[in-house]
Amino acid sequence: GQNIDQPTEMTATEGAIVQINCTYQTSGFNGLFWYQQHAGEAPTFLSYNVLDGLEEKGRFSSFLSRSKGYSYLLLKELQMKDSASYLCAVNNNAGNMLTFGGGTRLMVKP
Amino acid sequence: NAGVTQTPKFRILKIGQSMTLQCTQDMNHNYMYWYRQDPGMGLKLIYYSVGAGITDKGEVPNGYNVSRSTTEDFPLRLELAAPSQTSVYFCASSNPGSYEQYFGPGTRLTVT
Repeated sequence: GQNIDQPTEMTATEGAIVQINCTYQTSGFNGLFWYQQHAGEAPTFLSYNVLDGLEEKGRFSSFLSRSKGYSYLLLKELQMKDSASYLCAVNNNAGNMLTFGGGTRLMVKP
Repeated sequence: NAGVTQTPKFRILKIGQSMTLQCTQDMNHNYMYWYRQDPGMGLKLIYYSVGAGITDKGEVPNGYNVSRSTTEDFPLRLELAAPSQTSVYFCASSNPGSYEQYFGPGTRLTVT
């Protein structure tokens, strides 16, 4: 079966750093994705990890440990516009299918 | 490029009615997907297609049907709408060599 867990909600302060964790148990694995979704909008791609380690892209970084079934998304220098839901998803190698977690709603406060 | 477009944006259906949600992409992507997203939840895959003429079930296919007669279009059909199908429906597309999926703006459906 497929199981992807992430916290439901997080709150952080503008300018701070926040780490959103994701753990997964899936029948196949061909990469882990993070998507950002603002309220009422479509998800947009943030990052992709297929090998262990850290991928950095500006203020956002994503980490993967395949042996632990664990990933995190790190957001630095938080801005108010970072208030959104962050979706962790696993590609299980069948037709590029993605299995999504429930999403973490991040609220950034002044 | 318009990317992935979906129509309609909003729709209210009565129980037992049927409708087709339209999805078109102009990026020449082979793979297309339909997801539903219930309030405060993640996305669940309904159906997907790896090319024209080929479709397969995802996690929650019951109550839905799809067809893929062209590369560009991937309509989703709801027969006998039920309140449990009240949700936001997203269409997405991707290429085999690139794992990133591109999403349409969504269709917000209410069944009462």
